[in-house]
Amino acid sequence: SAVISQKPSRDICQRGTSLTIQCQVDSQVTMMFWYRQQPGQSLTLIATANQGSEATYESGFVIDKFPISRPNLTFSTLTVSNMSPEDSSIYLCSGRAAPNEGLFFGSGTQLSVL
Amino acid sequence: DAKTTQPTSMDCAEGRAANLPCNHSTISGNEYVYWYRQIHSQGPQYIIHGLKNNETNEMASLIITEDRKSSTLILPHATLRDTAVYYCIVRSRSSNTGKLIFGQGTTLQVKP
Repeated sequence: SAVISQKPSRDICQRGTSLTIQCQVDSQVTMMFWYRQQPGQSLTLIATANQGSEATYESGFVIDKFPISRPNLTFSTLTVSNMSPEDSSIYLCSGRAAPNEGLFFGSGTQLSVL
Repeated sequence: DAKTTQPTSMDCAEGRAANLPCNHSTISGNEYVYWYRQIHSQGPQYIIHGLKNNETNEMASLIITEDRKSSTLILPHATLRDTAVYYCIVRSRSSNTGKLIFGQGTTLQVKP
């Protein structure tokens, strides 16, 4: 299966700043997704990153807070904007090569906001 | 997509088979059952998926009941490295979004 490289792997940020997380896949994928995992919790889907168009956000997540780019079939970014301590979490990107195949995940970005 | 119910936690002795159940009583005919696991501090890992027939790969076997309302993931010879949270997810085969919604999963503890 494809491999996703995600960076940074961790960061400590000040409140009010923004952080951009990058995901690079080693082959083209049809779909990419961004998830958040708060401490001790399961994964929550933030949005589907659509190639060449605006991302599709899940309920509770908005573009102004989590702008996403996907310029091509192998790369996507998620920005966490105007951060607060409540944004401290692990952020994961994932991809799928074909509609009914399994998702594969990056190793995650552990974000701490002070 | 149908909702799933899994036990919160299970234990298994090393070397024995781990059988992880999942209830998806509202599953519809075009929905797949997917299993993932997440080892501590890592991203989730795809294990297996199926529609109606039982499936087996190098990691595990998936047994789906005839009425498709429940399934069991079987790790035939559990090792300590299989300690993880296991997620059972149901997704429509015809879904053009491709997204997966994770529940709380089962924490499997493999003990020596």
